[in-house]
Amino acid sequence: GAGVSQSPSNKVTEKGKDVELRCDPISGHTALYWYRQSLGQGLEFLIYFQGNSAPDKSGLPSDRFSAERTGGSVSTLTIQRTQQEDSAVYLCASSPFSDDTQYFGPGTRLTVL
Amino acid sequence: AQSVAQPEDQVNVAEGNPLTVKCTYSVSGNPYLFWYVQYPNRGLQFLLKYITGDNLVKGSYGFEAEFNKSQTSFHLKKPSALVSDSALYFCAVRDRGTGRRALTFGSGTRLQVQP
Repeated sequence: GAGVSQSPSNKVTEKGKDVELRCDPISGHTALYWYRQSLGQGLEFLIYFQGNSAPDKSGLPSDRFSAERTGGSVSTLTIQRTQQEDSAVYLCASSPFSDDTQYFGPGTRLTVL
Repeated sequence: AQSVAQPEDQVNVAEGNPLTVKCTYSVSGNPYLFWYVQYPNRGLQFLLKYITGDNLVKGSYGFEAEFNKSQTSFHLKKPSALVSDSALYFCAVRDRGTGRRALTFGSGTRLQVQP
């Protein structure tokens, strides 16, 4: 079946602009995660959604970062007033309710000039 | 707090030889442990996991890993390496005792299999 999909695959933006990154999880998966992969920091957790529960936002690095999950499916990660240090690959993952295995999408490579 | 250490940035092995990629972890409770592989310009692919039960876990592509609670280790192994196994490997942990499902990843180990 279809895996996790993310769009765009690449995004180049200018410092100070806002960006939106999209994630489509595997159908039927109740949990959705966002991670960031960068050379200096490795793989970092950002935010986690599980069903209708309040999201775990403990990994968001600043209040410029926010995420929504609409209808328990698609999620959008928004970065406001982008900075050069936001340049990274943003990875989305999903998992079924009864299983801890997280299945990752191909990622969005964000470059802030 | 939970953490993962992958002490080797790179592992080099000849094709056909056995390979080991090391991982040690730290959690306050009992761990869920995972291995993922990343090929260039791709996302992470799940290889295997330890939840409970048998300490030797078998996964995709002939990989296996052994959970050792006393040494807090979860090393990834394969009896006979292939050139196509060359990739970046990540170990990850989650503390089973908390409700927090976010994974903490190691820094990654690049595996290079030479023909």
